[in-house]
Amino acid sequence: DTGVSQDPRHKITKRGQNVTFRCDPISEHNRLYWYRQTLGQGPEFLTYFQNEAQLEKSRLLSDRFSAERPKGSFSTLEIQRTEQGDSAMYLCASSFVPDQETQYFGPGTRLLVL
Amino acid sequence: GESVGLHLPTLSVQEGDNSIINCAYSNSASDYFIWYKQESGKGPQFIIDIRSNMDKRQGQRVTVLLNKTVKHLSLQIAATQPGDSAVYFCAEKAGGGSEKLVFGKGTKLTVNP
Repeated sequence: DTGVSQDPRHKITKRGQNVTFRCDPISEHNRLYWYRQTLGQGPEFLTYFQNEAQLEKSRLLSDRFSAERPKGSFSTLEIQRTEQGDSAMYLCASSFVPDQETQYFGPGTRLLVL
Repeated sequence: GESVGLHLPTLSVQEGDNSIINCAYSNSASDYFIWYKQESGKGPQFIIDIRSNMDKRQGQRVTVLLNKTVKHLSLQIAATQPGDSAVYFCAEKAGGGSEKLVFGKGTKLTVNP
């Protein structure tokens, strides 16, 4: 399967710890997006990259959150000093512009902060 | 402001019936709309999309209708099957230079055999 992949699929951590998630987009997709989804809600946009440049960030992305896409391929999302309110599903999506703007999502990383 | 919502949080249909899932949006500047299907524990799966210069688009067993006058979007699923049971989200791209999708809360579709 050459879809979007995310690792890990599940993460349990204690409050105050740092966590890092990885996303591998569909091959050759130049855009990569991060969203967060809490139970019973739709995904909420966090940030996106075009190649290695981070072009848009949501106000949801507090200073404890940082995302990178150093080589324009995979991306990492780090949350520092996790809080219980960070518990959510973290979704990654990718697209290839300008040919097609459809965002294809990965399976997500479910984070539980105890 | 940004707001994409759904009229009904749940929808229950009989296998073989047609399903219609509705969505209202508030941003008249939105130029792109998309429907996703999400099964429990999985990421959203693309179903169909439509640009604002169209009012109808068809796929395999699915049709999306866009009414810009009343800012309404709908997803029609023909001959609904048990495998169609999931939560369905509509999303809009607000335009104005933003590439983010704004999602509604979703409609849970249950298909009864």
